[in-house]
Amino acid sequence: GQNIDQPTEMTATEGAIVQINCTYQTSGFNGLFWYQQHAGEAPTFLSYNVLDGLEEKGRFSSFLSRSKGYSYLLLKELQMKDSASYLCAVRPGNTGKLIFGQGTTLQVKP
Amino acid sequence: DAGITQSPRHKVTETGTPVTLRCHQTENHRYMYWYRQDPGHGLRLIHYSYGVKDTDKGEVSDGYSVSRSKTEDFLLTLESATSSQTSVYFCAISESGTSPLHFGNGTRLTVT
Repeated sequence: GQNIDQPTEMTATEGAIVQINCTYQTSGFNGLFWYQQHAGEAPTFLSYNVLDGLEEKGRFSSFLSRSKGYSYLLLKELQMKDSASYLCAVRPGNTGKLIFGQGTTLQVKP
Repeated sequence: DAGITQSPRHKVTETGTPVTLRCHQTENHRYMYWYRQDPGHGLRLIHYSYGVKDTDKGEVSDGYSVSRSKTEDFLLTLESATSSQTSVYFCAISESGTSPLHFGNGTRLTVT
């Protein structure tokens, strides 16, 4: 079976840094993805890790440790528009399936 | 944005009626997916397709069927809708089995 855990809610201050953690247990592993979803909208792709280490993309970075079944998404210089849900998703094996965690709702306050 | 169109965008139907949702893509991507999203459950995979006429079940496939007769279209059918199928349904596409998914704008289905 698959199990993906993220905190349900987080709050942070504009201009600060926030780290959203994701732990997973899956049968097989073929990549971990992060998505952003604003209320009432579709999810949009943020980042992808398949090897251990840090991937940086502007204000967003994502880290993966396959041996620990752990990833985090780091958001720097937070802006009000970063208030959204952040979804962690894992590809177990080679089927092409993508399984999502329940998502973390981030509220950025002034 | 990836060329994905879901139709209808909103639908209200009665319990026991059949419902078909359509996903159309213009990207010629091999993989297509149907998810539902409910409060407290996140996105859950219903069915997915890895090619024309090639489909497989996801996490919550009971009560749903799919068909893919051509690359660009992936249909999701609820044979006899139930109130528990009230949800927002998202279609997604992926170029390969390792590529990111890109999502359509969703269909809000209400079963009364």
